Amino acid sequence: KQEVTQIPAALSVPEGENLVLNCSFTDSAIYNLQWFRQDPGKGLTSLLLIQSSQREQTSGRLNASLDKSSGRSTLYIAASQPGDSATYLCAAGGAAGNKLTFGGGTRVLVKP
Amino acid sequence: DTEVTQTPKHLVMGMTNKKSLKCEQHMGHRAMYWYKQKAKKPPELMFVYSYEKLSINESVPSRFSPECPNSSLLNLHLHALQPEDSALYLCASSRGGPYTFGSGTRLTVV
Repeated sequence: KQEVTQIPAALSVPEGENLVLNCSFTDSAIYNLQWFRQDPGKGLTSLLLIQSSQREQTSGRLNASLDKSSGRSTLYIAASQPGDSATYLCAAGGAAGNKLTFGGGTRVLVKP
Repeated sequence: DTEVTQTPKHLVMGMTNKKSLKCEQHMGHRAMYWYKQKAKKPPELMFVYSYEKLSINESVPSRFSPECPNSSLLNLHLHALQPEDSALYLCASSRGGPYTFGSGTRLTVV
């Protein structure tokens, strides 16, 4: 059974600092790894998807890496802004059409 | 259209009521999902539909009954719920790539 862990559970940084969010998973036989953002009381917004054959994906200030052999993914957010404050969730995807297994999330606060 | 639309956004129901949650997408995604999310917890999978057929039921109590009338619609029928069923119910869809989530239905059972 896949288990996904995110450490730390919460993170507070001053504006402008780079953010590093960690995600680990127990079963390396994943189909993909997806990062989401969730604002309080809202749905999930997809940030980046890394297919199992890829090592990283980039979108603007966001970069996500994937190391299947070590069971780890890292989300980097450059030059953080107060608007980046949210909960960030990683999720490991099984075979196509199958379920996502979520980590517990990292709650990020970027202070002005 | 790149969205998953969920209605209603908020729902308050008594323990003897019957209600339904609705989810709609027009992206041609053939996999659709129901997730339940309690406060400060990650989403937990309830059901997966693949090509309009139920493919995964994560041992969800029978008071939750999913239905997929066509490739664009997913319903969740609710009956005789308990207060502990109060949560954010999220619908998602995918086609082998990124999952797209709706904004959810905030359900309160009184």
